[in-house]
Amino acid sequence: SQQGEEDPQALSIQEGENATMNCSYKTSINNLQWYRQNSGRGLVHLILIRSNEREKHSGRLRVTLDTSKKSSSLLITASRAADTASYFCATSGANSKLTFGKGITLSVRP
Amino acid sequence: DTAVSQTPKYLVTQMGNDKSIKCEQNLGHDTMYWYKQDSKKFLKIMFSYNNKELIINETVPNRFSPKSPDKAHLNLHINSLELGDSAVYFCASSRDGDYGYTFGSGTRLTVV
Repeated sequence: SQQGEEDPQALSIQEGENATMNCSYKTSINNLQWYRQNSGRGLVHLILIRSNEREKHSGRLRVTLDTSKKSSSLLITASRAADTASYFCATSGANSKLTFGKGITLSVRP
Repeated sequence: DTAVSQTPKYLVTQMGNDKSIKCEQNLGHDTMYWYKQDSKKFLKIMFSYNNKELIINETVPNRFSPKSPDKAHLNLHINSLELGDSAVYFCASSRDGDYGYTFGSGTRLTVV
């Protein structure tokens, strides 16, 4: 069964704006991860946040985790056209099994 | 120096055929995975091997059989291919612990 659910399903913004994507999940987790997938390519790991962490930064990426609400958000600041891609949240639980959400399609207009 | 490489990149075959997809990682990771991504981009785990031992086997038809000759390789053999097997299959690997996965570039399987 699907664990993560991203919101919105699609997001279109202007270059330079910030993009915020949300993810909710149902069961307890060890960590939550965000991945990017460009069209026709494999997934690229962006950032991992452990269940005992609340916020993490990596370059223009900021991820938060609220385990009480079972939710996470990914913020991309100062977006670029090259950020156009699908973004997936994934949760790691028992057996380190990584379960993916349905993905968010982000379009950044030049 | 591709970290996780899978071959072939594209595979078009007729129903009923048997085909294999190969995956190799040069990262020294202990665990390898097969994921299936359908036309709606939904990713579902199929199998996971840790040091050649099967640790995750999701509800996958018996026609799918993974084989791991060593911890750097995880191949996927599919018997009696069906139309519904058409998808993109991704191989991935990871270190043990809280680490992200490294994915291959995918194999687009089309069954006609």
